[in-house]
Amino acid sequence: EVQLVDSGGGLVQPGGSLRLSCTASGFTFSNYAMSWVRQAPGKGLEWVSCISGSGAGTNYADSVKGRFTISRDNSKNTLDLQMNSLRAEDTAVYYCAKGRYGDYGYWGQGTLVTVSS
Amino acid sequence: QSVLTQPPSTSGAPGQRVTISCSGVYSNIGSNYVYWFQQLPGTAPKVLIYRDNQRPSGVPDRFSGSKSGTSASLAISGLRSEDEADYYCAAWDDSLSGRGVFGGGTKLTVL
Repeated sequence: EVQLVDSGGGLVQPGGSLRLSCTASGFTFSNYAMSWVRQAPGKGLEWVSCISGSGAGTNYADSVKGRFTISRDNSKNTLDLQMNSLRAEDTAVYYCAKGRYGDYGYWGQGTLVTVSS
Repeated sequence: QSVLTQPPSTSGAPGQRVTISCSGVYSNIGSNYVYWFQQLPGTAPKVLIYRDNQRPSGVPDRFSGSKSGTSASLAISGLRSEDEADYYCAAWDDSLSGRGVFGGGTKLTVL
């Protein structure tokens, strides 16, 4: 059974940093691209970033480019999102998802990031 | 402002059929597959339709997807109270350096 467990969210001040993690199980992690999708309170879904199975290829939304870094450790079945220079508008529930290009077949439970002073 | 355009809301009575539209352009819907997701309150999204019109196992055949040109639709027949949720379309967009795109979401109310 595919499982994705998101963690690392919390309260951070504007300009601060946070690192999110997603631990995967139930599938051959290195064979699949992975993505991060976020949802601001009361708003719709917003794609954030994706990474290829090998980790060699990455894409970012313009809203986070230069501030966020997606990475993966295929030996540990983990996906990370390093978030720097956080802004109030980054406040959202962050979901990791299996797949990319819209093909998000499985989702984590989400982790809440709140950027506030 | 979402890249893909969906109606903010729709409604229908139990047993009825509703459709939700998703409009894009050539660089997203016109060139790539469309996916549909259902999000129940307080939960993570769940895939309903993949690759324009394919249903994952476990998704009832009351849900169907279609695509023509730069528009796509999700149809739900035999509406049930448990279908009340938010629905999102998604695709990849080949413009710029490539990006994921979503519709703004449609809130379905079962009357």
